[in-house]
Amino acid sequence: SYEVTQPPSVSVSPGQTASITCSGDKLGDKYTSWYQQKPGQSPVLLIYQDTKRPSGIPARFSGSNSGSTATLTISGTQATDEADYFCQVWFSTTVVFGRGTKLTVL
Amino acid sequence: QVQLMQSGAEVKKPGSSVKVSCKTSGGTFSSYSFSWVRQAPGQGLEWMGGIIPIFVTTHYAQKFQGRVTITMDESTSTVYLELNTLRSEDTALYYCAGGSNTNWYMKHWGQGTLVTVSS
Repeated sequence: SYEVTQPPSVSVSPGQTASITCSGDKLGDKYTSWYQQKPGQSPVLLIYQDTKRPSGIPARFSGSNSGSTATLTISGTQATDEADYFCQVWFSTTVVFGRGTKLTVL
Repeated sequence: QVQLMQSGAEVKKPGSSVKVSCKTSGGTFSSYSFSWVRQAPGQGLEWMGGIIPIFVTTHYAQKFQGRVTITMDESTSTVYLELNTLRSEDTALYYCAGGSNTNWYMKHWGQGTLVTVSS
């Protein structure tokens, strides 16, 4: 079965850029989405189809996908961005989530 | 914008079944795909399967094949998840999520339904 790998944790200072990766076999050939989840809340879609941002999502969230790695980039990270982030891949009828990355803003 | 309202928490015995509902409103039911995603306590997200109403097709994660059934009632714009042969490891928050009917990203999420499996 297909698997994607995320780092368990990433730390960033306020105002700096955070990058969260998602790796998988030929991931660049598939569509990747990214979700943010804060404690006690339902996930929120940040990025879909690798690079697209739903309305209402700040422009400081961006995505890329090439080769075997997709990346979520958060520019000018804010304290409110501290959360769990999940990548999600789909192809054909398969949908897979990464295990999640805890972003700490310190 | 579609809104998803899920049924309330359930407590079940091992070996029994549970059926969770997800009533949609504010959007065109056939415009969406709907997925069921679960999250065990302190764990990540796990896709269980989904349904595309306009094509009347369902897809299941291999792990849940044979134990899960996803159905819909177009007349009430409601999607259902039924999970059989419950075990303690099925204790989790179950989310209904909706997205485009041409792919499987999930833009709209329900509030989650807690299913507890305990003897």
